[in-house]
Amino acid sequence: DAGVTQSPTHLIKTRGQQVTLRCSPKSGHDTVSWYQQALGQGPQFIFQYYEEEERQRGNFPDRFSGHQFPNYSSELNVNALLLGDSALYLCASSLGPSGMYEQYFGPGTRLTVT
Amino acid sequence: DQQVKQNSPSLSVQEGRISILNCDYTNSMFDYFLWYKKYPAEGPTFLISISSIKDKNEDGRFTVFLNKSAKHLSLHIVPSQPGDSAVYFCAAAGGTSYGKLTFGQGTILTVHP
Repeated sequence: DAGVTQSPTHLIKTRGQQVTLRCSPKSGHDTVSWYQQALGQGPQFIFQYYEEEERQRGNFPDRFSGHQFPNYSSELNVNALLLGDSALYLCASSLGPSGMYEQYFGPGTRLTVT
Repeated sequence: DQQVKQNSPSLSVQEGRISILNCDYTNSMFDYFLWYKKYPAEGPTFLISISSIKDKNEDGRFTVFLNKSAKHLSLHIVPSQPGDSAVYFCAAAGGTSYGKLTFGQGTILTVHP
C-alpha cells in the first residue's frame, strides 16, 4: 500500500521564478493538505483540497496556489519566489471529512530559493 | 500568534525511563489534538490523538493526557527506547477550521542507551 509520495525531493530556484510541487495521496485518500515547514519550526498550514476545490486556506499570500486532480493527486504552485519561501513543503492526505484530522504526511520537497 | 506552543526545544532521557513531552494551546475552539513524530528526511508520522471529550488516551507505550482547563496536553512514552529519538510535534484542530492542523514548534527527544 503506497503512502503519500511527493516530487521532486529537492529543488533549487532563483528569486522571481515559479515552482510546481507534486503530491500523490495515500491509496484510498481523497483529501490533500499542504504545509510549509521552515527550519526549526513546526509545519504551517497552506491550504487543503477536497473534491477538487480549495476548502481551507492558511495565512499565505495569493502567490501560493494549488490544484487537485480527479485522481486526488495535487499540485502546489508558488509564483514570484522570495528567499523566505525556502522551506520543506509537506503534503498530507486524509480520508474524507470525517478523517480530516488524522493526516498522513509525505517525505516533503526541500525548496531552496537563491 | 503562536496558538500551539512546545516550550521545551529539547529533552534528553535515559533508555527505559519515562519521556514526558509537553504542549500548551490558547485557542478554546480546538477540540482534537494529535502527536506526530518526525525523523530526518522523512515526513511527520502520526502517533496518537485525543478528543476533547477525553482526558487520556493510551496506545502501547504512548499515552496522551489532556487538561482542558489548563489548555495543556502531554505525551508520555514508557519505557523510552533509543529508536524513539526524533522530533515530536503536537498539533491541534477544531472549530471552523476542521482539517487545518496547527502545529507547535517541536521538541527534539534524545534517548540515550
